[in-house]
Amino acid sequence: GAVVSQHPSRVICKSGTSVKIECRSLDFQATTMFWYRQFPKQSLMLMATSNEGSKATYEQGVEKDKFLINHASLTLSTLTVTSAHPEDSSFYICSAGRLGLAYTDTQYFGPGTRLTVL
Amino acid sequence: KQEVTQIPAALSVPEGENLVLNCSFTDSAIYNLQWFRQDPGKGLTSLLLIQSSQREQTSGRLNASLDKSSGRSTLYIAASQPGDSATYLCAVLSGYALNFGKGTSLLVTP
Repeated sequence: GAVVSQHPSRVICKSGTSVKIECRSLDFQATTMFWYRQFPKQSLMLMATSNEGSKATYEQGVEKDKFLINHASLTLSTLTVTSAHPEDSSFYICSAGRLGLAYTDTQYFGPGTRLTVL
Repeated sequence: KQEVTQIPAALSVPEGENLVLNCSFTDSAIYNLQWFRQDPGKGLTSLLLIQSSQREQTSGRLNASLDKSSGRSTLYIAASQPGDSATYLCAVLSGYALNFGKGTSLLVTP
């Protein structure tokens, strides 16, 4: 159990376009979902935390108008990269915390989405 | 701000060797520490989670220890196999966010 999926796994887009990435918890309900970004040879960096039915909390330095997060249900969160530029090219990974467990319990990670902006 | 450092950055060993990966963190006020495995271009697989009140966790050939007061953790891999080749990430939970190290890239050669 505790499977998290992401779609798409890989996307290539032109500069200036918007890209939506979905994160789904397949067999459990997730109160909280987290979005991370990973540049080559670098750590995963938390971008934002989203709770179902409320606004996302963004980390310092992350533009909330550029990275739109929607957590409309207990199994789905979406990240939309608006007006993407080449510097947004990265590996985006989501994780989910299981409903009913303390947030100090383990997070379950999705397989990631590789975004390339031309 | 929590800083997580992993040493070494890369490691290459012959099959069968026992090895130790190191992780250090600057703020000892943590809830837990996790070790993950990441294969190239893939997501994360959780290997071991150690709560702040625990000293170690074991799973198969893996053993992770935690010394919270000194801000250190080690991941011990016994009898390494080529299938263990991957990047190993250490992450600490302090506050609500997981803080990750840059990882140790492990190559186990046959």
